[in-house]
Parts: sequence; C-alpha cells; structure tokens
Amino acid sequence: ILNVEQSPQSLHVQEGDSTNFTCSFPSSNFYALHWYRWETAKSPEALFVMTLNGDEKKKGRISATLNTKEGYSYLYIKGSQPEDSATYLCAPWSYNQGGKLIFGQGTELSVKP
Amino acid sequence: EPEVTQTPSHQVTQMGQEVILRCVPISNHLYFYWYRQILGQKVEFLVSFYNNEISEKSEIFDDQFSVERPDGSNFTLKIRSTKLEDSAMYFCASLGPSDGYEQYFGPGTRLTVT
Repeated sequence: ILNVEQSPQSLHVQEGDSTNFTCSFPSSNFYALHWYRWETAKSPEALFVMTLNGDEKKKGRISATLNTKEGYSYLYIKGSQPEDSATYLCAPWSYNQGGKLIFGQGTELSVKP
Repeated sequence: EPEVTQTPSHQVTQMGQEVILRCVPISNHLYFYWYRQILGQKVEFLVSFYNNEISEKSEIFDDQFSVERPDGSNFTLKIRSTKLEDSAMYFCASLGPSDGYEQYFGPGTRLTVT
C-alpha cells in the first residue's frame, strides 16, 4: 500500500505570512503527483498535476515543486490570505495503482486576518 | 464550467437501512470513482468504474456496497445495510479522456448513520 505523508497536519498563520507544506511518497513506480485544495462544503479542486522531476508549477500566489527521486513535493503559498484557508491534499499516482488516487491526510491551513 | 454534482449534500439514516448516494459526473467523462473520508482520517478510495463495470475496488467495498450507472448520466453508490462505521463524507469523481489524469470531484455527501 502506498504510504503518503503530509506535514504539518495543521497550520495557523497570519494574513500576509508565507507558508509551505510537504508531501512525501514512495519514489518507486512514480507517474504523477496531484495537489488538491479542499474547502469545507465545496468540491476538492485540483491545483496542480506534476509529473517531471524538478517540475515547478505556479498558480497565482501558490506554487509547487516536485522531487521524484527522493519522493517529495512542496507546496508554497506566498502572502497568505484568509481565502487560502482550506485543506490541501496531495495524491501521488504510481504505475501500479490503477486509476485510483491515494491521498495523504492533508494539511489544514487557517489564515487569520 | 462543467462540474460534478452530488445529491443529497447530507443524508441521515438509521443503522441497517439502505442508502443511495447519487452523482452526476461531467458529461463526456469515461472513468468514475467513489472515495470517502471518515472524520479525522484520510480520503480513501472505494471503487472505480469504467465501461459499465467495476475496474477496481478496495477492501472497504464489500458486498454491502454496489455501484451503478443506470441511465448514462447518473452514477450511484448504494449501501445495502448501513453500519455506524459507514458514517463519512462520500465523494464522487470523474475523469475525462483528455484531462491528463486530473480527476474532478463533486462536493460530497455527508452520510450520518445513527
């Protein structure tokens, strides 16, 4: 069973702070990594799908990096805003796991005004 | 923008009752999934469905669970005889032929078994 770990489990920051969280996963048979943003009562929303070692993707103030050799990805939020408050989920995808996503436990971010 | 919808948003049922959770995936999508999250735990995979049949299921998806795509638009998850431990948020997701592996999720149905 693929073991996916995210840290920290929760994070409380002030508006304007920059923050980052980590997703660790087994590097063998890696194919892609998904980052999702999930606000309560809404659909989990895909932020990034990353496939290449060294990949860096950016969407506004949010960016992510990927290291497939050592099996980790970082998600960065620059200048956090209250609307960034959500749970951030990562889900690596390996060749041997069919089409299903296997999620980490998520990082719950709370941004105080 | 197309989206996955789920109904109801919250379902309360008594132990032993049958429930049907409904999902309408994005219309041109071909792959369909159910996941669930028990409070405080990870989102976990239940079942995947393609070409009108189950392509993979997890250990959780026992004989009490079934899925169906009855009319080409709805995708349902049925739990025949609910248990207290079935209380969770249930998510439906779908994947299209040209989405590069990005699964689109619905907002979830919160199932509470009393």
